Amino acid sequence: EAGVVQSPRYKIIEKKQPVAFWCNPISGHNTLYWYLQNLGQGPELLIRYENEEAVDDSQLPKDRFSAERLKGVDSTLKIQPAELGDSAVYLCASSSRAASGLYNEQFFGPGTRLTVL
Amino acid sequence: AQSVTQPDIHITVSEGASLELRCNYSYGATPYLFWYVQSPGQGLQLLLKYFSGDTLVQGIKGFEAEFKRSQSSFNLRKPSVHWSDAAEYFCALYNAGNMLTFGGGTRLMVKP
Repeated sequence: EAGVVQSPRYKIIEKKQPVAFWCNPISGHNTLYWYLQNLGQGPELLIRYENEEAVDDSQLPKDRFSAERLKGVDSTLKIQPAELGDSAVYLCASSSRAASGLYNEQFFGPGTRLTVL
Repeated sequence: AQSVTQPDIHITVSEGASLELRCNYSYGATPYLFWYVQSPGQGLQLLLKYFSGDTLVQGIKGFEAEFKRSQSSFNLRKPSVHWSDAAEYFCALYNAGNMLTFGGGTRLMVKP
């Protein structure tokens, strides 16, 4: 079974430019997460989707960040315009609902490393 | 508010030596706790998890962790470290809102 796929793996842009990251979750997983991981820190949730609906985007900086998950499968995270402080790794994860409904193991992609110059 | 603290930013051990990585949590209810490993350029891989029951849990790659409610800790251990274990390790706590809260991570270096 294929894991979570992310592209590109690396991206270097100049500040004020736009950038987009793509994520393809594990087949059948209805929940998708985007995390931000700053250097030397643990991941922090940006947004969570249940199918097409963003159910938790409280940590997403909405002035410059946007995300979408059309058709409830693939997702795109966009930054426009990018700032120097956006340099980080952007991780995507997906999960399916466990039988108990209490816990959904999250499977992580390899991430996209963004460098803003 | 929930939080996870990993007090050691870096740890260096010799190959073959034992390892213990510390994790402390703050949570108002019974926690679901996890340890993840992240190798350079790789995503996070789940090593083990604790939900309830036996407080000593076994994971992959020879790792184990012990949940101690009285100390609010969930330390990761391995009896004999291999060079391939060099990576960053993250402790995480899961809440009923389907959220994972991660610690800051501990970078493990292994000396030959």
